[in-house]
Amino acid sequence: EAQVTQNPRYLITVTGKKLTVTCSQNMNHEYMSWYRQDPGLGLRQIYYSMNVEVTDKGDVPEGYKVSRKEKRNFPLILESPSPNQTSLYFCASSFGTSGGEQFFGPGTRLTVL
Amino acid sequence: AQSVAQPEDQVNVAEGNPLTVKCTYSVSGNPYLFWYVQYPNRGLQFLLKYITGDNLVKGSYGFEAEFNKSQTSFHLKKPSALVSDSALYFCAVKDGSNDYKLSFGAGTTVTVRA
Repeated sequence: EAQVTQNPRYLITVTGKKLTVTCSQNMNHEYMSWYRQDPGLGLRQIYYSMNVEVTDKGDVPEGYKVSRKEKRNFPLILESPSPNQTSLYFCASSFGTSGGEQFFGPGTRLTVL
Repeated sequence: AQSVAQPEDQVNVAEGNPLTVKCTYSVSGNPYLFWYVQYPNRGLQFLLKYITGDNLVKGSYGFEAEFNKSQTSFHLKKPSALVSDSALYFCAVKDGSNDYKLSFGAGTTVTVRA
């Protein structure tokens, strides 16, 4: 089954404790992206990647890091999480650009105390 | 800069009545427009898109949307709403000249009452 998977689905952590949210897709997509969803703000793009070893900042990159060492994986790293990073996070992927729709993972609900 | 506005936080309709969810956009190049739906505790699901061609686009679950360039709008419509259409709907836009970034509206919660 074609899908985007994220782990963990739920995470409660404390301020300053480094964490990684994994994202993997099995559709051989070149493009991957991370978003955060907050009430009343919709989804905001954090980082995106056009292909292996090619990444760029989205609209809200502060406090986050990403890497793209393999085509299928695009982990999101919070090196020193803070309470304002409490949010619902989505990973997405698509075939390159040219107007292709993005396929979304199930989401990771992160709470930073 | 690109942006999307969904002017209504909530839309309430009776089952069987027409459903419209409004969206306006702003991009500097040609727009690529999308609608996604989010059911409770689920990820986003793609409904339909406009890239080029016919202004009326048909998508999944009986939804359609009309691209209006002069009004910079892309409203989502369904002729006869179902209770199961109750969900959170997002409009999104890419700038065709730089389509790595997808910008979303704030979302509209649709409630269809039986």
